[in-house]
Amino acid sequence: DAKTTQPPSMDCAEGRAANLPCNHSTISGNEYVYWYRQIHSQGPQYIIHGLKNNETNEMASLIITEDRKSSTLILPHATLRDTAVYYCIVRVITGGFKTIFGAGTRLFVKA
Amino acid sequence: DTAVSQTPKYLVTQMGNDKSIKCEQNLGHDTMYWYKQDSKKFLKIMFSYNNKELIINETVPNRFSPKSPDKAHLNLHINSLELGDSAVYFCASSQERSQGGYGYTFGSGTRLTVV
Repeated sequence: DAKTTQPPSMDCAEGRAANLPCNHSTISGNEYVYWYRQIHSQGPQYIIHGLKNNETNEMASLIITEDRKSSTLILPHATLRDTAVYYCIVRVITGGFKTIFGAGTRLFVKA
Repeated sequence: DTAVSQTPKYLVTQMGNDKSIKCEQNLGHDTMYWYKQDSKKFLKIMFSYNNKELIINETVPNRFSPKSPDKAHLNLHINSLELGDSAVYFCASSQERSQGGYGYTFGSGTRLTVV
């Protein structure tokens, strides 16, 4: 079973921030939080990852709670092209096989 | 371009046939994977392989076998195809021996349809 839980779907207006939550209450101390997205039937695409500090890159921001039991992916200005399934996973840096993808959150960005 | 590439993109075949899907990565990663995404869209890992170790998900039928001629290639061979094997198969790679990094890089998928 996946170690993360996410809402099955969310809507967001174009140009607004999309905030995608993820619960990972059983995360271990050496596990990172990774976010990927899958647009239509393409291969999942890396977005961002973090251990305990908040992270930002050109695509998104990742906010991790102090207890690390949950996190939020923020797309600051969602566009129609951000419509996709977003997966939150936890994995150790050197233990890829144990990673399990859950069902993800289907984000609909509407004009 | 640096990437994970897999071929073919689409594969339609009859039940009982044997088929292979090829995967190549030029990222210098040390570990490669095969994932299956079924009609319900769940991504399920099938195999993980690096130069020294093959890890098999115990739920994968032994009709499926990974074959790695070198560290840049991990092909998936499927014997006696069944209707339930219809799915999208994704190859991925990662660098598992160093800190940091971006986790997985996925290929664009192979849509297998068994008729």
